[in-house]
Amino acid sequence: DAGVIQSPRHEVTEMGQEVTLRCKPISGHNSLFWYRQTMMRGLELLIYFNNNVPIDDSGMPEDRFSAKMPNASFSTLKIQPSEPRDSAVYFCASSHPGLAPGANVLTFGAGSRLTVL
Amino acid sequence: SQKIEQNSEALNIQEGKTATLTCNYTNYSPAYLQWYRQDPGRGPVFLLLIRENEKEKRKERLKVTFDTTLKQSLFHITASQPADSATYLCALDMDSSYKLIFGSGTRLLVRP
Repeated sequence: DAGVIQSPRHEVTEMGQEVTLRCKPISGHNSLFWYRQTMMRGLELLIYFNNNVPIDDSGMPEDRFSAKMPNASFSTLKIQPSEPRDSAVYFCASSHPGLAPGANVLTFGAGSRLTVL
Repeated sequence: SQKIEQNSEALNIQEGKTATLTCNYTNYSPAYLQWYRQDPGRGPVFLLLIRENEKEKRKERLKVTFDTTLKQSLFHITASQPADSATYLCALDMDSSYKLIFGSGTRLLVRP
């Protein structure tokens, strides 16, 4: 298995532009998470999907952020319009309940480093 | 709300020694606690999980303890190697749910 695949690995854009980050979870994993990591705030959970349905988006900073999961093998995180304070590394992670019953063990992608100028 | 505290200062040790990292949390005790390793430019990688009714868990050179009275977990790497140099994150579940919250991590540097 190739693991969780994220693209792009690096994105540099100008303030006001739309940014779309993509994620392919591990086949068979039914939970998908988007996290954001910064030096100041560490890893923050943005949104959680279970069986392609958004369950909790309380971590999404504001309306400029949106996420979709149209099928079990693909998810996007979109920022429109982007701002310099959105600069961070965005991670996608997936999990399957069978990995550790009652627990949530995450497999992370390599991340997408976003820089908004 | 639940808070996790990990030593923000890097831990610098000599190869062959045992590295001990600390994770403290406030408020309620989680149902389980996890440790992840993160290398520069990569995503965190799961290492070990310990449940609230377990005192200790081992995997090769790694050992995790969980003290719900002290609200603390210790992560040990015995016979440390330069390849163990990385940032180590602890993570707790929120109310026994899917929601994992992560500590800020402790950077470990093992000198040859």
